[in-house]
Amino acid sequence: DQQVKQNSPSLSVQEGRISILNCDYTNSMFDYFLWYKKYPAEGPTFLISISSIKDKNEDGRFTVFLNKSAKHLSLHIVPSQPGDSAVYFCAASATSGTYKYIFGTGTRLKVLA
Amino acid sequence: NAGVTQTPKFQVLKTGQSMTLQCAQDMNHEYMSWYRQDPGMGLRLIHYSVGAGITDQGEVPNGYNVSRSTTEDFPLRLLSAAPSQTSVYFCASSRGTSYDEQYFGPGTRLTVT
Repeated sequence: DQQVKQNSPSLSVQEGRISILNCDYTNSMFDYFLWYKKYPAEGPTFLISISSIKDKNEDGRFTVFLNKSAKHLSLHIVPSQPGDSAVYFCAASATSGTYKYIFGTGTRLKVLA
Repeated sequence: NAGVTQTPKFQVLKTGQSMTLQCAQDMNHEYMSWYRQDPGMGLRLIHYSVGAGITDQGEVPNGYNVSRSTTEDFPLRLLSAAPSQTSVYFCASSRGTSYDEQYFGPGTRLTVT
């Protein structure tokens, strides 16, 4: 049973436009969410996170939105750049639980120059 | 700091062989984990450890063993390799709370024939 889902396997966006990557979760115990970026032949690297006490967190061109009632989060990248082309994973954790980070299946973003 | 290191980078095994994937971190992190990445499946947690001497199972633990005798090292053992264990394996570490991002190693690509 997939507790964290990224329903779009891939996404193509023009350079300079907004990229929106989506993630849904089913476990209501999750209260901390992270986004990771992965380039080919490298390990994932942390991008941005959000706690369930917030509904938005910004870091430069990256913003994560959390809708707890819908169990949905999204990552916005504005403006998108060719170097943003990578696979993006969302991950979730229950801070009162057993320190497990559960990852989604990933979305491959391609930013077209 | 070298961060999280993994050896080997590539490995080919025959069915039934055993091997150990090595993982080490020099950041004094308490939390370490192993993931496998398969096409369309994202990153799935195999085993994790919240400190030396403490390990627990993740989402897909069958066929793998771990131990954590020191803070720095977290080896993953395949006792009898199967073709279904062909995957890319990532080791990760974090300071120890569920609010911390994980730092990933570069991965080990394993093929079982």
